[in-house]
Amino acid sequence: KAGVTQTPRYLIKTRGQQVTLSCSPISGHRSVSWYQQTPGQGLQFLFEYFSETQRNKGNFPGRFSGRQFSNSRSEMNVSTLELGDSALYLCASSLDPSGETQYFGPGTRLLVL
Amino acid sequence: AQSVTQLDSHVSVSEGTPVLLRCNYSSSYSPSLFWYVQHPNKGLQLLLKYTSAATLVKGINGFEAEFKKSETSFHLTKPSAHMSDAAEYFCVVSVSGYSTLTFGKGTMLLVSP
Repeated sequence: KAGVTQTPRYLIKTRGQQVTLSCSPISGHRSVSWYQQTPGQGLQFLFEYFSETQRNKGNFPGRFSGRQFSNSRSEMNVSTLELGDSALYLCASSLDPSGETQYFGPGTRLLVL
Repeated sequence: AQSVTQLDSHVSVSEGTPVLLRCNYSSSYSPSLFWYVQHPNKGLQLLLKYTSAATLVKGINGFEAEFKKSETSFHLTKPSAHMSDAAEYFCVVSVSGYSTLTFGKGTMLLVSP
């Protein structure tokens, strides 16, 4: 089975712009979670989607949003980018949100200038 | 609420010597515990998972971890380090039945020849 894929792998944006990141889960997995990784804050939970519904959200401002499509693919959007949004954004998928093991993609590295 | 403390930010070992990465957790409910590894510029790979079955959990690449409820610890060990083990290791907790992961700050394992 193919693993979790994320596109694009690298992005450079400027402050004030918006960005959309994409995640395709492992085939058959219906739960997708997003995490932000920075040197200062480490790995932090952004949100989780299951069956096109957001089930959980971490402590991030409303500029961070996401959605899930009927084929379980997910996108996250960050509007009005700030320098501090520079990070590695990781997507993880699992069969369902009941505590099944999460499998991570390679991440999208976002640099905001 | 749950939290994870990785007691060492860096651990240095020589190739062929044992590895010990320490992790303490706090959870109000029955926890699921994980160890993930991240090689440079890569996503997270699951090493092993504890979910209230056997307290000694065997993972990939010769790693294992022991769940000790009385000490709220979940230390990761390997009898003999290999150069390819050099990476960052994350101890992770979730509440059993729920998928939101809480990560430790990570331990960087350095392996010298």
